[in-house]
Amino acid sequence: GQQVMQIPQYQHVQEGEDFTTYCNSSTTLSNIQWYKQRPGGHPVFLIQLVKSGEVKKQKRLTFQFGEAKKNSSLHITATQTTDVGTYFCARSKGGSEKLVFGKGTKLTVNP
Amino acid sequence: NAGVTQTPKFQVLKTGQSMTLQCAQDMNHNSMYWYRQDPGMGLRLIYYSASEGTTDKGEVPNGYNVSRLNKREFSLRLESAAPSQTSVYFCASRGRGNTEAFFGQGTRLTVV
Repeated sequence: GQQVMQIPQYQHVQEGEDFTTYCNSSTTLSNIQWYKQRPGGHPVFLIQLVKSGEVKKQKRLTFQFGEAKKNSSLHITATQTTDVGTYFCARSKGGSEKLVFGKGTKLTVNP
Repeated sequence: NAGVTQTPKFQVLKTGQSMTLQCAQDMNHNSMYWYRQDPGMGLRLIYYSASEGTTDKGEVPNGYNVSRLNKREFSLRLESAAPSQTSVYFCASRGRGNTEAFFGQGTRLTVV
C-alpha cells in the first residue's frame, strides 16, 4: 500500500542527547512532510521535503530526504524537554490529495 | 482566523447510537480529511475530500460516512457506533498542491 514505515516507535532519551527518527517507503515519494504532535495536542506541520538528497535545518532539527526519495529522517541535536511529543512523517502520492501518515515516533526526554 | 474547527470536543455514545462530527475551515482550502488516532496506530485516514462535491475512501472507511457539504465543511457520520470506534478523531485541511495540512483540535469519542 501507500503506507510509510516509521522507526523507532518509541524513543526515550536523556536531555542533551541526540534523537533520530526514520521514515521509509517501498515506493518513490514525490514529497515527504514532517509533523509534531505535543501530548494532548494536534499535529502541527514542521517541514516539507521535495528534492532528492534535500537537507533542511530548523534550529536543532535537521531533515533529510534520501537520494532515491524512498526514505527520510528527522534528527534533533541536544534534545530539550520541549522536544517531547510524537513525530510523524506523511506522504501524498503525486497527483493525488490523499495524505497518509506513518505511525509516528513518540519521544520522551528525561530532564 | 479560526483555522480548522471541530465539534464536539468530547462525546460519549452508547453502542448503536449515531452521531455526526462536524468540521469547518476558514482558509479556503480545497482538500479536507478525517483521521482517527489510536495508541500505537498513528493517524489513520478515514476519508478525504479533494474538492467540494467529491469524497474518497482512506485506509479505514468501514463504519463511517462523510459529506462535503460545501467548501468549508466536511462532516463525519457514525451510523451505528461500535466500541471499536472509540478513538480521537482529527479533521484537517490543506490548500491545492501538496501544501501543509492544518489540523483541528480533535474530538475524543468514547463508545460504551
